[in-house]
Amino acid sequence: GENVEQHPSTLSVQEGDSAVIKCTYSDSASNYFPWYKQELGKRPQLIIDIRSNVGEKKDQRIAVTLNKTAKHFSLHITETQPEDSAVYFCAASIHDMRFGAGTRLTVKP
Amino acid sequence: GAVVSQHPSRVICKSGTSVKIECRSLDFQATTMFWYRQFPKQSLMLMATSNEGSKATYEQGVEKDKFLINHASLTLSTLTVTSAHPEDSSFYICSARNSATNEKLFFGSGTQLSVL
Repeated sequence: GENVEQHPSTLSVQEGDSAVIKCTYSDSASNYFPWYKQELGKRPQLIIDIRSNVGEKKDQRIAVTLNKTAKHFSLHITETQPEDSAVYFCAASIHDMRFGAGTRLTVKP
Repeated sequence: GAVVSQHPSRVICKSGTSVKIECRSLDFQATTMFWYRQFPKQSLMLMATSNEGSKATYEQGVEKDKFLINHASLTLSTLTVTSAHPEDSSFYICSARNSATNEKLFFGSGTQLSVL
């Protein structure tokens, strides 16, 4: 089955800096790659996603890049703000969805 | 946007009792729903895939007789934790995929189960 690895497990940045989280996946058949933000005790919220036929997608301060050949994809957050602090999960999907281990992002004011 | 409702949000029960968790897609039909379990500070681990009108597909290591899943309609899936024990204490969260778009997953609000 699909195996998703995510790095780093924790990330601390200064407000205004950029944050990058990276994921790799194992199943080349995966065709949908969402990123979720989860705050403590709450449901994951979809923040951006990308399909396998697209290399990059941007939504304001958030961007995702996908390298199908290398089977890795990354989340980029620019101009980070304290409210960006949360746990971020990447996922890869064919029929079901498998999640990475998560990255705890802390943005220091 | 698509809404997935999950109830209850929190359950405290005695060891040996059974607990039922409901997951409903409110404004779309979902032939497939997924049940995840999340331990503190860990990722979401897929437990099973719930298929409307047929048996659920369980992940390796998940006991199907302990975690009963029923998906009787296109908008409702239930997870019953039978004979719950303290090690079953966890955050259980369902998700549903819109049958029309068949891509994005929408999550319920989760159920925090505490077994005493």
